Amino acid sequence: RKEVEQDPGPFNVPEGATVAFNCTYSNSASQSFFWYRQDCRKEPKLLMSVYSSGNEDGRFTAQLNRASQYISLLIRDSKLSDSATYLCVVNDPGDYKLSFGAGTTVTVRA
Amino acid sequence: EAQVTQNPRYLITVTGKKLTVTCSQNMNHEYMSWYRQDPGLGLRQIYYSMNVEVTDKGDVPEGYKVSRKEKRNFPLILESPSPNQTSLYFCASSFPGDPYNEQFFGPGTRLTVL
Repeated sequence: RKEVEQDPGPFNVPEGATVAFNCTYSNSASQSFFWYRQDCRKEPKLLMSVYSSGNEDGRFTAQLNRASQYISLLIRDSKLSDSATYLCVVNDPGDYKLSFGAGTTVTVRA
Repeated sequence: EAQVTQNPRYLITVTGKKLTVTCSQNMNHEYMSWYRQDPGLGLRQIYYSMNVEVTDKGDVPEGYKVSRKEKRNFPLILESPSPNQTSLYFCASSFPGDPYNEQFFGPGTRLTVL
């Protein structure tokens, strides 16, 4: 079983729509969670960290559900520029290794 | 400009011919790491380094070597490349210690081993 699993998509949505997707992780002791964005095989870039209480950054909302061991990302009012692959990243306590999901691809169409 | 640089960006080579991919960062980061990215598998960590002269294996270290003689540089060495090492490679750096540290990635090196 993979440590971090994501629905690969693609999620094809019209501009202005809301899209949401999850990521599940296998280690219940995992402590740190992130969403990275990757454009077309370019380098990943941090989108946002995911805090226990959930957090929002503009049109992006991240949630953590420890009981069910998943994190989610919701994008409101989708823009064409949101088209990308979103990588779920998990870090275990006392470990400097990051575990990456394979990514969820989102395509926003005009 | 704060950045992580990698060279070369693209490389086609043949089985068994030793190669080195360089990685350099100008942000004074202690932590550096190498990843490979393959379709459907996500990024997998090859090696990481907590500081100068301190390196450790990641998830897929077989067939790779690294060194950390200076803080800014973290080269990846393939002593005898094989076709299964054909992949997209990323170097990354960050400050360690804080679990919410952002990883800064280089632009990637696309390696093909024939």
